[in-house]
Amino acid sequence: ETGVTQSPTHLIKTRGQQVTLRCSSQSGHNTVSWYQQALGQGPQFIFQYYREEENGRGNFPPRFSGLQFPNYSSELNVNALELDDSALYLCASSLGGQAIHEQFFGPGTRLTVL
Amino acid sequence: GDSVTQMEGPVTLSEEAFLTINCTYTATGYPSLFWYVQYPGEGLQLLLKATKADDKGSNKGFEATYRKETTSFHLEKGSVQVSDSAVYFCALASNAGGTSYGKLTFGQGTILTVHP
Repeated sequence: ETGVTQSPTHLIKTRGQQVTLRCSSQSGHNTVSWYQQALGQGPQFIFQYYREEENGRGNFPPRFSGLQFPNYSSELNVNALELDDSALYLCASSLGGQAIHEQFFGPGTRLTVL
Repeated sequence: GDSVTQMEGPVTLSEEAFLTINCTYTATGYPSLFWYVQYPGEGLQLLLKATKADDKGSNKGFEATYRKETTSFHLEKGSVQVSDSAVYFCALASNAGGTSYGKLTFGQGTILTVHP
């Protein structure tokens, strides 16, 4: 069974640029959630995709957007990067989008905005 | 809104010492509660969970009991090992208010260092 994978591992961008992060969900999982983890903080929920539709969103501006594909992999896009966007971005997959469904996390993408 | 508060860290212990990491929460309804562990350079791993009041989650010698009356979910281990050194996160997931998605709300994390 293949776990959750994310790419790239590290990324450096400059302020104002756009970035796309990718996530492959665990085999058989139809739900992907994205989290932002700033240094020294707990992860914060960005949004969740269930069967290719956005199924819930946290307190993040519209320049954070996402997609889920028919194979349930997902992308997180961030436009007009700001310095505060520097963080570890975590993707988690689950079988189902509700609270009782265990989420399995990938290793994350470390984004640095200069 | 939902929130999770963990004890101030970091925590430094000697091997075989007793561990407690406090966690309290605020949520509407009846959330599910979790402890996640993050080893250096890795993503989060689920350590244990409890889905209703008085449930006890346990794994790898760690335990936590869902206490609705005190809104707490403290993590304990009787004898820690050097390999337990990591960051521990308490989290909740709530379906209150008609939400249909499993958003996890995390605490700020507690760094645990165990010395030989």
